[in-house]
Amino acid sequence: GIQVEQSPPDLILQEGANSTLRCNFSDSVNNLQWFHQNPWGQLINLFYIPSGTKQNGRLSATTVATERYSLLYISSSQTTDSGVYFCAVGDYNQGGKLIFGQGTELSVKP
Amino acid sequence: NAGVTQTPKFRVLKTGQSMTLLCAQDMNHEYMYWYRQDPGMGLRLIHYSVGEGTTAKGEVPDGYNVSRLKKQNFLLGLESAAPSQTSVYFCASSYLTPSGGRQVEQFFGPGTRLTVL
Repeated sequence: GIQVEQSPPDLILQEGANSTLRCNFSDSVNNLQWFHQNPWGQLINLFYIPSGTKQNGRLSATTVATERYSLLYISSSQTTDSGVYFCAVGDYNQGGKLIFGQGTELSVKP
Repeated sequence: NAGVTQTPKFRVLKTGQSMTLLCAQDMNHEYMYWYRQDPGMGLRLIHYSVGEGTTAKGEVPDGYNVSRLKKQNFLLGLESAAPSQTSVYFCASSYLTPSGGRQVEQFFGPGTRLTVL
């Protein structure tokens, strides 16, 4: 099955710093999503981005499907950005099920 | 719209007891999914459904059963709970594009935290 690897596993930032999170996947996909799991456990949809680039405020994401990776950029980080960021990939020809990476745990210090 | 809701939010069971987790969505989505999340890990798929009356196994289906009698509801059952089923359970749903050929973004419920003693 598809393997998903995220890096780095942990990241500590000072408020205001920028960061890049990476997601590598082992096979062709037609669904890729980024999620933020906040400290209360809620999964928040950040991006649906099987290819191309999207931006939403301080966050942006780029997926290069032909090279099997995606990047999530966080600029001017805030303490509320803390939590775990998950990348998940899937194939809508296989029921659309998502395969999740292990996540990147981000801690933003004031 | 309430989106995806899950009932209950928390539950403690004793080994061998049974229970049903309810997932409901009000977005008229065709596809629904049950995942579990164990500490320090990403989510893993238990079962899923591509439409009313259909179900299929995911990555970790053993010990669970599911039913999709109504389009808006997806039930996850534990017939005889085991400590290994202590986890956080998430339900998700997604839809087909208007052309009907492509299932896209999944939306998740708030989760159910289950402890089996």
